[in-house]
Amino acid sequence: KAGVTQTPRYLIKTRGQQVTLSCSPISGHRSVSWYQQTPGQGLQFLFEYFSETQRNKGNFPGRFSGRQFSNSRSEMNVSTLELGDSALYLCASSLGGTTYNEQFFGPGTRLTVL
Amino acid sequence: AQSVTQLDSQVPVFEEAPVELRCNYSSSVSVYLFWYVQYPNQGLQLLLKYLSGSTLVKGINGFEAEFNKSQTSFHLRKPSVHISDTAEYFCAVSDEKAAGNKLTFGGGTRVLVKP
Repeated sequence: KAGVTQTPRYLIKTRGQQVTLSCSPISGHRSVSWYQQTPGQGLQFLFEYFSETQRNKGNFPGRFSGRQFSNSRSEMNVSTLELGDSALYLCASSLGGTTYNEQFFGPGTRLTVL
Repeated sequence: AQSVTQLDSQVPVFEEAPVELRCNYSSSVSVYLFWYVQYPNQGLQLLLKYLSGSTLVKGINGFEAEFNKSQTSFHLRKPSVHISDTAEYFCAVSDEKAAGNKLTFGGGTRVLVKP
């Protein structure tokens, strides 16, 4: 079974631009979560999508948004990029549902904002 | 709200020696507890988890952890480390009653195994 894939793996943008990152979950998984990893703030939860609906949300400004498609693939968008948005963005997929299901993480997209 | 504190940011250890990584958490609700490992340029891999039952949890690669509710701790141990255990380790919690997968992570502990 293929794992979680994230594209692109590396991205360089300049301040003020916007960016879209993509995450393809493991086949059959309906939940996709996004996390931001930085040296200063560590790993922080951005949001989770389940069956095309945002189910949980972290404490990030509205510049960070996401969506999920009917095939469970998810995208996150960051508008008006700031230097502080430079980070490794990780997505994780799970079966979903209301009881615990293990999350499987992708390798991440490393975003550099210049 | 939950918070997780990993007491050591870096732990150097010699090969074949034991290692313990400390994790304390704070939460107003019951939580599930996790340890993840991150190798360079990779995502996170689940080492082990505590959901309920026995407080001693065994995971992959010879790791184990003990949940101590009174001390709100979930320390990770390995009796004998290998060079390949060099990585960053993250302790995490999630709300037991909440639907979904919102993990709150500690700051991470870098383990450097020396020959």
